[in-house]
Amino acid sequence: QVLLQESGPGLVKPSETLSLTCSVSGYSISSGYYWGWIRQSPGKGLEWIGSIYQSGSTFYNPSLKSRVIISVDTSKNQFSLRLNSVIAADTAVYYCARDYDASVAYFDYWGQGTLVTVSS
Amino acid sequence: DIQMTQSPSTLSASVGDRVTITCRASQSISSWLAWYQQKPGKAPKLLIYKASSLEGGVPSRFSGSGSGTEFTLTISSLQPDDSATYYCQQYNTYMLTFGGGTKVEIK
Repeated sequence: QVLLQESGPGLVKPSETLSLTCSVSGYSISSGYYWGWIRQSPGKGLEWIGSIYQSGSTFYNPSLKSRVIISVDTSKNQFSLRLNSVIAADTAVYYCARDYDASVAYFDYWGQGTLVTVSS
Repeated sequence: DIQMTQSPSTLSASVGDRVTITCRASQSISSWLAWYQQKPGKAPKLLIYKASSLEGGVPSRFSGSGSGTEFTLTISSLQPDDSATYYCQQYNTYMLTFGGGTKVEIK
């Protein structure tokens, strides 16, 4: 069974950088698949942030692209999200998930999610 | 960006009812559509991909149909455990977008 677990600070100050890591177990990232980040603002819908392949190839949501970096560490079986210059509107539950194997598509395994609050 | 519009935003139905949720895309997405179920405090769960393919382990009372710009998720006989919010998501382009969600309540 594929398990994903997000980790990182739950509180980030405005203008600083949000950093999260997703640890994967039950599947080797280096074996394939895209791996993605999705967020959900309190009481709101879902927003795709971006996805990365084991090779490091990335696709980003254009609305966030200027502030986002997604990276992968196959030796640790982890992938990470960095979102810089955060504002209050970036407050959300952040999910990591396994994307499709051939391209960015849909997500079949999800982490439990982690709430990140942007506040001074 | 491709906009995804779901209707209704909320529906209330009785156990055993047939329930249909609609998702419309702002442009054709062929059959590149997924459906998810999300319960409060939990991550979304994949139900359907490629518009009508049932994900493994998902009860057969869930089904999806449609192509182009109009899609439906049907629950053939609503069960108490189906109380949740349902989201559609398109993957026709490299910019993935979700619908706004439909909350299903049990009467």
